[in-house]
Amino acid sequence: GENVEQHPSTLSVQEGDSAVIKCTYSDSASNYFPWYKQELGKGPQLIIDIRSNVGEKKDQRIAVTLNKTAKHFSLHITETQPEDSAVYFCAASRAITGGGNKLTFGTGTQLKVEL
Amino acid sequence: EAQVTQNPRYLITVTGKKLTVTCSQNMNHEYMSWYRQDPGLGLRQIYYSMNVEVTDKGDVPEGYKVSRKEKRNFPLILESPSPNQTSLYFCASSRGTGVGYGYTFGSGTRLTVV
Repeated sequence: GENVEQHPSTLSVQEGDSAVIKCTYSDSASNYFPWYKQELGKGPQLIIDIRSNVGEKKDQRIAVTLNKTAKHFSLHITETQPEDSAVYFCAASRAITGGGNKLTFGTGTQLKVEL
Repeated sequence: EAQVTQNPRYLITVTGKKLTVTCSQNMNHEYMSWYRQDPGLGLRQIYYSMNVEVTDKGDVPEGYKVSRKEKRNFPLILESPSPNQTSLYFCASSRGTGVGYGYTFGSGTRLTVV
């Protein structure tokens, strides 16, 4: 099955700096890569996603890049703010037998933005 | 407001005492799923359902049951809970199961089995 590795497990940055979280996946059939943000006491929330036919996607201060050849994808947050502090999960999705898609999550990155 | 509602938020129970965690969504989503979240392991899928009366095992189904009698509800049943099922549980739903459908998660249920 699919295996998604995520690094680092914790990341501390100064407010205004950039943060980068990296993930690798094992199954070349994976074709959709969402990122989720989980704030304390809440469920994960989708913040950005990318499909396998796209190399980069941007949404204001957040961007995601995908390298299909290397099976790497990354989340980039620029001009970090205290409200960016949260746990971030990457995920990879692929079609499964019988229809539908299976989403496999990484192990999460605790991002702390310090004042 | 479009949402996935889980109850209860917190639950402490004893080994062997059957319990049910409820999950309901108001978005008319076809797909629903249960995950457990454990430190260092991320989110692991327990069971999922692609539509009413259609359920299937995820990666860690042992010790759990589910049912999908109505589109909006997808309860998680622990027939005989054990301490290794102490975890944070999330229900999620999605409009479809094709590529690109994002998940909406509930707020979680923290379960402790003593």
